[in-house]
Amino acid sequence: DTEVTQTPKHLVMGMTNKKSLKCEQHMGHRAMYWYKQKAKKPPELMFVYSYEKLSINESVPSRFSPECPNSSLLNLHLHALQPEDSALYLCASSPGWTSGSLNEQFFGPGTRLTVL
Amino acid sequence: DQQVKQNSPSLSVQEGRISILNCDYTNSMFDYFLWYKKYPAEGPTFLISISSIKDKNEDGRFTVFLNKSAKHLSLHIVPSQPGDSAVYFCAASARAGGTSYGKLTFGQGTILTVHP
Repeated sequence: DTEVTQTPKHLVMGMTNKKSLKCEQHMGHRAMYWYKQKAKKPPELMFVYSYEKLSINESVPSRFSPECPNSSLLNLHLHALQPEDSALYLCASSPGWTSGSLNEQFFGPGTRLTVL
Repeated sequence: DQQVKQNSPSLSVQEGRISILNCDYTNSMFDYFLWYKKYPAEGPTFLISISSIKDKNEDGRFTVFLNKSAKHLSLHIVPSQPGDSAVYFCAASARAGGTSYGKLTFGQGTILTVHP
């Protein structure tokens, strides 16, 4: 299995809703990432988990809350979002340099989020 | 400050000819470079990577060249096919000292169109 899966594909939510994005990989990768991508822009890193511990938070507002329940799963909990948070949210995973690989990041298809 | 730049927003090539996509970087700490291909509303797909200890890496129709002194890399696609039409992102990574993961810094992307 060489895939990163994300659910849901599309999500529409109001500014008072609470929702969660899910990401799963079964490649044995030990690093997982959340990115945000706006139209016609490159992906922007939000969070990095390494060995299930939060390693990087790129000054992301607290209305985004990541969670890594185990080495295969990564969640992004959303609460009180703003319309400007509408974007494609991408999950990625990588083997980690300790595996001896070059640590390529593999991306999921993304969740298209619209905040009304 | 854009540390990774793709100065050509778009490139148009005839089927069967060579496509050359260029990328420049400014951070001399970058030691690992990747190319991703992205279709609309999908996650980026990893294409090919190169470590800073090499100056060339080849995989089928795709070859990446790295010129460290010029801080420049390029992706060659030969022969180009209509299915190669997509946005191509260059990305660079500096190994975060002692950690197993890497932060990717992306260029702005180049839209490649291959005409039949």
